[in-house]
Order: sequence, then C-alpha cells, then structure tokens
Amino acid sequence: GAVVSQHPSWVICKSGTSVKIECRSLDFQATTMFWYRQFPKQSLMLMATSNEGSKATYEQGVEKDKFLINHASLTLSTLTVTSAHPEDSSFYICSARGGEEYQPQHFGDGTRLSIL
Amino acid sequence: GQNIDQPTEMTATEGAIVQINCTYQTSGFNGLFWYQQHAGEAPTFLSYNVLDGLEEKGRFSSFLSRSKGYSYLLLKELQMKDSASYLCAPTDSNYQLIWGAGTKLIIKP
Repeated sequence: GAVVSQHPSWVICKSGTSVKIECRSLDFQATTMFWYRQFPKQSLMLMATSNEGSKATYEQGVEKDKFLINHASLTLSTLTVTSAHPEDSSFYICSARGGEEYQPQHFGDGTRLSIL
Repeated sequence: GQNIDQPTEMTATEGAIVQINCTYQTSGFNGLFWYQQHAGEAPTFLSYNVLDGLEEKGRFSSFLSRSKGYSYLLLKELQMKDSASYLCAPTDSNYQLIWGAGTKLIIKP
C-alpha cells in the first residue's frame, strides 16, 4: 500500500520551456502533498506544501509564480516549472500524506529535470 | 534553531550489524522518521518513533530518547542492497519534517 506515482521520470528541454510534473497517490487519499527539490549530495529541500482544494504554502525563497502548484483532488497534485532555465535543473520529488499529520510521507520516484 | 547531526558516512561488512546515530534539536517535537534513499532515487519510509523506546521491524530497528534528543537506526544482517543514505527526519511542532543530509552507508563484501 501507500504507492505514489510521479511522472515524467526524466525531462530534457530547452530554456524557456514550461514543464509540468504530476504526482498521484494510487491507493490512498492524500490530504497533503509536498514538493521537494534535491541537488546532488545535498539534503531534501521542501519547496511547498499543498492541501487538496486550497492554495499551496511556499517555503521562503521559493517563487510561487515560477513554481505553480495545483492540488485539484485528493489523489493528484501538479508542479509546473514555468519558463525553466538551466539553474532550475534538479531532482524534483513529490510526497503524499494521508490522514493525520503524524502519518509518514510516501514519496514518488522523482523527476530529473535538465534544462539546456 | 533546528538542527540534525548524523555521521556523513559509515562503512560496514555484509552480514554484520550497524547502528546509525542521530541527534536533533527542533522547535517542538512530534515524532521522528527514518527514511532510506538509494543514490538517484526518492526516499523510502522505514520507521516512525514518537514514544521513547525501540521499534523493531524485521532487520531494521529504530530507537528514540526524547529527553536526549537522540535516535538511532539499527540494521542487522546487512546485505549489499542496504548500501544507501539513511535520513533521520524529526518533526517540529507543525509536524513539518526537518531534513538533514543523511548518513551514507557503504556495505563491503
């Protein structure tokens, strides 16, 4: 149980392109979803937290107009990197949590984004 | 402030036992998670401790002492596939996970 699907796994695109990443909880209802990015050999960095049907809460320093998050249902959240540039290249990972706040976060497989 | 302290890297032998220690400081506390992360992959949930004591789950056990701000992950009968980073992630008063860089565990034959 507690499977989270994230796609695409890899994206390579030109600078200026917008990229959408999907995160789905397959066998549970995700009350809360989280979006992280991780640079090589560094810790996970939380970008934003989203609850179904409400606006995402962004961490300090994360541009909300740059990283658009939509959590339209209890099983789907999307992250759109708008007008991506090479410095946006990173490993983006979503996680989902169902039920109470003490429940574990279950992670998708991540999306490796490379902007040329 | 919020802080996590884990060894950067550890090496152990296949079949042996290894203990990965973690000390932490958080603003409030609502339990501590351990995750495993293989290189280039997303983290996988291992355990959650909210009360003091030992939680055992197969080859993996996790211990918590809230008064000492201390936890450890114990891995028994090590296998080559256990080579990964192990992330100690305490939660703060808002149940937000605090992430450190983790401990890279290298298993040698």
